[in-house]
Amino acid sequence: QQQVKQSPQSLIVQKGGISIINCAYENTAFDYFPWYQQFPGKGPALLIAIRPDVSEKKEGRFTISFNKSAKQFSLHIMDSQPGDSATYFCAASMGGSARQLTFGSGTQLTVLP
Amino acid sequence: NAGVTQTPKFRVLKTGQSMTLLCAQDMNHEYMYWYRQDPGMGLRLIHYSVGEGTTAKGEVPDGYNVSRLKKQNFLLGLESAAPSQTSVYFCASRYRDAGDYGYTFGSGTRLTVV
Repeated sequence: QQQVKQSPQSLIVQKGGISIINCAYENTAFDYFPWYQQFPGKGPALLIAIRPDVSEKKEGRFTISFNKSAKQFSLHIMDSQPGDSATYFCAASMGGSARQLTFGSGTQLTVLP
Repeated sequence: NAGVTQTPKFRVLKTGQSMTLLCAQDMNHEYMYWYRQDPGMGLRLIHYSVGEGTTAKGEVPDGYNVSRLKKQNFLLGLESAAPSQTSVYFCASRYRDAGDYGYTFGSGTRLTVV
């Protein structure tokens, strides 16, 4: 049972375009929603995160949109660059000291020059 | 400052063999985690530890054991490897009071069981 569903599995975007990755969750106890970026041969690294009390968070070219009623959140990458080519994972966590992350299945983004 | 170091980086095992993956962090983090990453499935939590001498099961613990005898080390063991354990394994750590922004991941161990 996958608690965080992510789409699309792969995405190809032209340089300068907008990349959009979507995630949906089932457990309403989740209260923290991060996005991780992973380059080949490396571990995931935190990109941006949001809590459900806000509907949008922007950091540079990266924006998270959050729809609490629909239990969905998405990552928007504006002005996509070839250097953004990586695998992106959405994740969610809930209360408790250990704060384990539940990950989506990942999206492989390719930005064409 | 190395962060989270995983050894080995690559390993090939025969079915039934045993091995231990080592995760070492030099950031004095209290919490440590082992995840496995499989194509199309994201990262799934195997075991985690909230402090020296304590461990707990995650989402997919079967076939694995862990130990945390020292705060800086978190070991993941496979007693009798199976082809289904072919995966990339990631260790992560964080401060207890870091909220959700403190996860640091290692660069992974690619394990193949033949």
